[in-house]
Amino acid sequence: EIVLTQSPATLSLSPGERATLSCRASQSVTRYLAWYQQKPGQAPRLLIYDTSNRATGIPARFSGSGSGTDFTLTISSLEPEDFAVYYCQQRTNWPPLTFGGGTKVEIK
Amino acid sequence: EVQMVESGGDLVQPGGSLRLSCAASGFTFSSYWMHWVRQAPGKGLVWVSHINFDGTIRTYADSVKGRFTISRDNAKSTLYLEMNSLRGDDAALYYCARSRGDYVDQWGQGTLVTVSS
Repeated sequence: EIVLTQSPATLSLSPGERATLSCRASQSVTRYLAWYQQKPGQAPRLLIYDTSNRATGIPARFSGSGSGTDFTLTISSLEPEDFAVYYCQQRTNWPPLTFGGGTKVEIK
Repeated sequence: EVQMVESGGDLVQPGGSLRLSCAASGFTFSSYWMHWVRQAPGKGLVWVSHINFDGTIRTYADSVKGRFTISRDNAKSTLYLEMNSLRGDDAALYYCARSRGDYVDQWGQGTLVTVSS
């Protein structure tokens, strides 16, 4: 099973700041990694798939990069609605599909 | 508009059974693989099970293998999860999830399963 480790667990930032979230895989997932956003009381929403492709309707301030075992989600300038929990997910070697433990982006 | 509405969550005693349903609309249900993903209160996302287009391929997380059964009725655009021998660590919000390229591009709002005596 591929384990995904996200860091930091919590990121405290102000609106307008840049957010950089990390996801590290226990073995290579090539480029088959996605990012999801989850707000309190809501279902997750797909943001990025295959490392760097934005899902439909996702603003350009969200970008993804990486390959192999190290991946990054960057939010270039935080909007108030971006404060949420973010999860990464791999699809290279499954079952099982695996998710990271999440990074909470909170308002500083 | 794509919609997936889960139902069937309830309070059940340890060792009990439940059947979850997910009614899908707004897309051609039979064209998509589907997943169940769960989330315990305050915790992260955990994949539970997947089923292919016609139900001939089904996979499960080790933690539920032999206890849970995923199925689908394409004529009714409905996904199911039969859960038996429920344990305390099965308590969670269960999401119905549409697969696109083995990612999840659409999620339901979830149905809550509580396991307690």
